[in-house]
Amino acid sequence: AQTVTQSQPEMSVQEAETVTLSCTYDTSESDYYLFWYKQPPSRQMILVIRQEAYKQQNATENRFSVNFQKAAKSFSLKISDSQLGDAAMYFCACGRGAGGSQGNLIFGKGTKLSVKP
Amino acid sequence: KAGVTQTPRYLIKTRGQQVTLSCSPISGHRSVSWYQQTPGQGLQFLFEYFSETQRNKGNFPGRFSGRQFSNSRSEMNVSTLELGDSALYLCASSSGTSGRVETQYFGPGTRLLVL
Repeated sequence: AQTVTQSQPEMSVQEAETVTLSCTYDTSESDYYLFWYKQPPSRQMILVIRQEAYKQQNATENRFSVNFQKAAKSFSLKISDSQLGDAAMYFCACGRGAGGSQGNLIFGKGTKLSVKP
Repeated sequence: KAGVTQTPRYLIKTRGQQVTLSCSPISGHRSVSWYQQTPGQGLQFLFEYFSETQRNKGNFPGRFSGRQFSNSRSEMNVSTLELGDSALYLCASSSGTSGRVETQYFGPGTRLLVL
């Protein structure tokens, strides 16, 4: 079974500053993927970034980057130059890799990020 | 491409009734997954459909069911509604054909309130 833990229920960051959201996971799978999704007040889940577990290089998407520590089963999200539009709930999720169902993501409880002007 | 659409967006039902929610995936996507989101339990996987077949199922009672049509549109049904079924129901689609985990694209959700 897979579990995903986000230990920070809420975080706050000043506009233009950098913030890091934490996520740890546990899985018995050798092949898996990790995701960060953003859910603004509109409730639409939006993919922020994804990481394939077999890749050692940390994924980056513009101002968003991850610190993937496979041995520690840690997958943190760093947001640089924070903007007001980054305010949202952020969910970390894990999915199995090849084989079986690919449509089953396990989500953490989420971290609510506030951005102060 | 148009995104994932869900109808209706809001729904109010009473205990004991049943409800059907609809999801249209992104064009070309054949996998549709459903999730329930509540403040207490967070996001929980309900089931996944691929090519009209249920490919995986979460830990929900049999009152929750779904189906997928040949055009990949999916419906989920909840019978004998309970107060605890009040939630945001999210649908997500992916191509489903790579044999590996793919990025899921979510719809805006259907907010169900059971009175």
